Amino acid sequence: EAGVTQSPTHLIKTRGQQATLRCSPISGHTSVYWYQQALGLGLQFLLWYDEGEERNRGNFPPRFSGRQFPNYSSELNVNALELEDSALYLCASSSRQVRTNEKLFFGSGTQLSVL
Amino acid sequence: EDKVVQSPLSLVVHEGDTVTLNCSYEVTNFRSLLWYKQEKKAPTFLFMLTSSGIEKKSGRLSSILDKKELFSILNITATQTGDSAVYLCAVNSGGSNYKLTFGKGTLLTVNP
Repeated sequence: EAGVTQSPTHLIKTRGQQATLRCSPISGHTSVYWYQQALGLGLQFLLWYDEGEERNRGNFPPRFSGRQFPNYSSELNVNALELEDSALYLCASSSRQVRTNEKLFFGSGTQLSVL
Repeated sequence: EDKVVQSPLSLVVHEGDTVTLNCSYEVTNFRSLLWYKQEKKAPTFLFMLTSSGIEKKSGRLSSILDKKELFSILNITATQTGDSAVYLCAVNSGGSNYKLTFGKGTLLTVNP
């Protein structure tokens, strides 16, 4: 069974550009979570999507946005890139029964570098 | 704001040593505490703890939660070089707005 897949593996952009990161959850999982892992800061919660809707959002500016498609895959968009957006962006998924299955399964991430 | 603090931030040991990693938390509406191991990029799940005083065990790894004192420990006995990784502690505190708050992690290096 395939795990959580993310693309691209690496992404290099310049300041002011836009970045689009993609995530496919484990088959049967309906929830997708996005985390930012910057050097020295640990994993910071960005967004949670479930059944196509945004359910919760972390303390990030509105230029971080995303969506979830009918097949439960998800996209994270970062507009007007800043140097401090350079980080590993991790996507995770979990099954429909979030209240009873609280384990997240992570992908290998997209390493975003902003020059 | 929810807070999860891990200590130490990094640790270097020799193969065969026993290590204890610490995680303390201050969150509202605690639901569970989770430990993950991050070797390269994808964190992999180790344990989920919800009740105080009940030890979870998997091979040489074990973990316990103290909900009164708001902390958890992760023990690794007879360490091996393959245990070298970042160990992440996370707390689920969102209620219906589920989210995991992570600590910064402990970087464990096991030397041969």
